[in-house]
Amino acid sequence: AQSVTQLGSHVSVSEGALVLLRCNYSSSVPPYLFWYVQYPNQGLQLLLKYTSAATLVKGINGFEAEFKKSETSFHLTKPSAHMSDAAEYFCAVSVGPGTASKLTFGTGTRLQVTL
Amino acid sequence: EAQVTQNPRYLITVTGKKLTVTCSQNMNHEYMSWYRQDPGLGLRQIYYSMNVEVTDKGDVPEGYKVSRKEKRNFPLILESPSPNQTSLYFCASSLMRGGRHEQFFGPGTRLTVL
Repeated sequence: AQSVTQLGSHVSVSEGALVLLRCNYSSSVPPYLFWYVQYPNQGLQLLLKYTSAATLVKGINGFEAEFKKSETSFHLTKPSAHMSDAAEYFCAVSVGPGTASKLTFGTGTRLQVTL
Repeated sequence: EAQVTQNPRYLITVTGKKLTVTCSQNMNHEYMSWYRQDPGLGLRQIYYSMNVEVTDKGDVPEGYKVSRKEKRNFPLILESPSPNQTSLYFCASSLMRGGRHEQFFGPGTRLTVL
């Protein structure tokens, strides 16, 4: 069965500092991987997704993630944090190309950005 | 504008009083789903629907019902709410289930059961 683990339920960075949010997945077959962001009082929206086309995936708002099969990881990074990046971030995995697959979410990482 | 809408956004009710949370999407998506979000647990799927009149249980279906009579609507029904159903609920839709398909989420419904 597939699963995803997000290390660190809370991460705090200074404005302008590197953002690194960790995600590790477990899957016996090649997965599809997603990062979603949830701003306060809003639903989730897609930041980026990995669908096997390229291992380095660029998303919205300057975020990117690199798929590393050997490490079973899909960490999210941004070179310079902005106050507006404060939100909760969810990693998710989907295994299998067909409708038999399902999306499984991690428990989320809350990002705090300080001055 | 492509969107998923939910109503109400906030609801406070009492134990045992039946309620319905509506969900509607305007993207002609086949797949719709309900999740609940609880601190430290992430999002857990309650029910999903592959198409009209096709629904199935997710990971935490107990105490909930759904129906899919029209493609655009997927209401969540709590016949007899209990305090452990106090949570933040999200409806989502996508072109198809699973695979590479992005899910589009509604704004959420915060439910409190007293």
